[in-house]
This record gives sequence, structure tokens and C-alpha cells, in this order.
Amino acid sequence: DAGVTQSPTHLIKTRGQQVTLRCSPKSGHDTVSWYQQALGQGPQFIFQYYEEEERQRGNFPDRFSGHQFPNYSSELNVNALLLGDSALYLCASSSRRDYQETQYFGPGTRLLVL
Amino acid sequence: DQQVKQNSPSLSVQEGRISILNCDYTNSMFDYFLWYKKYPAEGPTFLISISSIKDKNEDGRFTVFLNKSAKHLSLHIVPSQPGDSAVYFCAASAAFEAAGNKLTFGGGTRVLVKP
Repeated sequence: DAGVTQSPTHLIKTRGQQVTLRCSPKSGHDTVSWYQQALGQGPQFIFQYYEEEERQRGNFPDRFSGHQFPNYSSELNVNALLLGDSALYLCASSSRRDYQETQYFGPGTRLLVL
Repeated sequence: DQQVKQNSPSLSVQEGRISILNCDYTNSMFDYFLWYKKYPAEGPTFLISISSIKDKNEDGRFTVFLNKSAKHLSLHIVPSQPGDSAVYFCAASAAFEAAGNKLTFGGGTRVLVKP
């Protein structure tokens, strides 16, 4: 049973560029959440997708956007990259059918903005 | 405003002894708490959770205690093993957020288990 997968594993971009990160949820899960983890800090919630809609959003600017596909996979897009966007981006999946909906994380995509 | 805090950035313990990790929260609406372990270059791995209707949950070597009145939870690892060396994150969510269950994380505690 495959867990949460993310691609790519590493990415280098320059300021002003745009980036797309991808996530496939754990089998049986229908909800995908995205988190940003800066060095030395805990993950920060970006947004959550369920039924192809953004259900909840954290304190991130509109440069951060996402999408969920009918197969439950998801993309995170970041436009007009800033140096401060350099971080580990984590995807987590969960199931609305599970009580308390424990989230399971992928390995992350490390983004470096130069 | 940091709603979940792990005040000890690091912890060193001898193999076989108990590791105790602490976490404090301020939002009284939090009703579900989780601990994750993270190795370098990997995503967080779910360890154990506890609902606010309980004050203790046990899973093998891991036990989580919840003190709602103090808004405090702790993770006990007994006995500690070298493979437990990692960063541990405490996280919380609130069921009242019916549209989703975002996790709010603490800053993490780095645990080193010495052989």
C-alpha cells in the first residue's frame, strides 16, 4: 500500500519564477493538505483540499494556490517566487470517513529560491 | 501568536531510559492532539494521538498524556532506543473547524538517544 508521494524531491528556482509541486495521497484518502516547513520550525498550514475545492486556508498570500483532481491528487502552485519561499513543502492526506482524520505526510519537496 | 509550543528545543537521554517530551497549547478549542517524528530528509511520521475525551493513550513504547486544565500534553518513550533519535513535533486540531482539520504544530524537540 503506497503512502503519500510527492514530486519532485528537490527544486531550484530563481526569484520571480513560478513552481508547481505535486502530491498523490495515500490509498483510500480523499483529503489533501499542504504545509510549509522553514528551517528549524514546525510545519505551517497552507491550505486543504477536499472534493476538488479549497476547504480551509492558512495565513499565506494569494501567490500560493492549489488544485485537487478527481483522483484526489493535488498540486501546489507558487507564483512570483521570493527568497523567503525557500522551504520544505509537505503534503499530507487524510480521510473524511476517519474519526479525527489523522493526517499522514509525504517525504516533502525541498524548494530553494535563488 | 504561537498556539502550540514545545519549550525544549533539544533533549539528550541514555539508551534504555525514559524520554519525556512536553507541549503546551493556548487554544481551548483544540480537541485532538498528535505527535509526529521526523528524520532528516523525510516527512513527519505519525506516532500517536489523543482525543480530548481521554487523558492517556498508549501504543507500545509510546504514551501520550493530556492535562486539559493545564493545556499541556507530554509524550513518554520507554525504553528509549538509538533509533528514536529524531525531531518530534506536537500538533493540534479543532473539530469545530468543520470545513477541515488543519494541524497547528509546535516548533519541535530534537531528541538524541545515546548508546
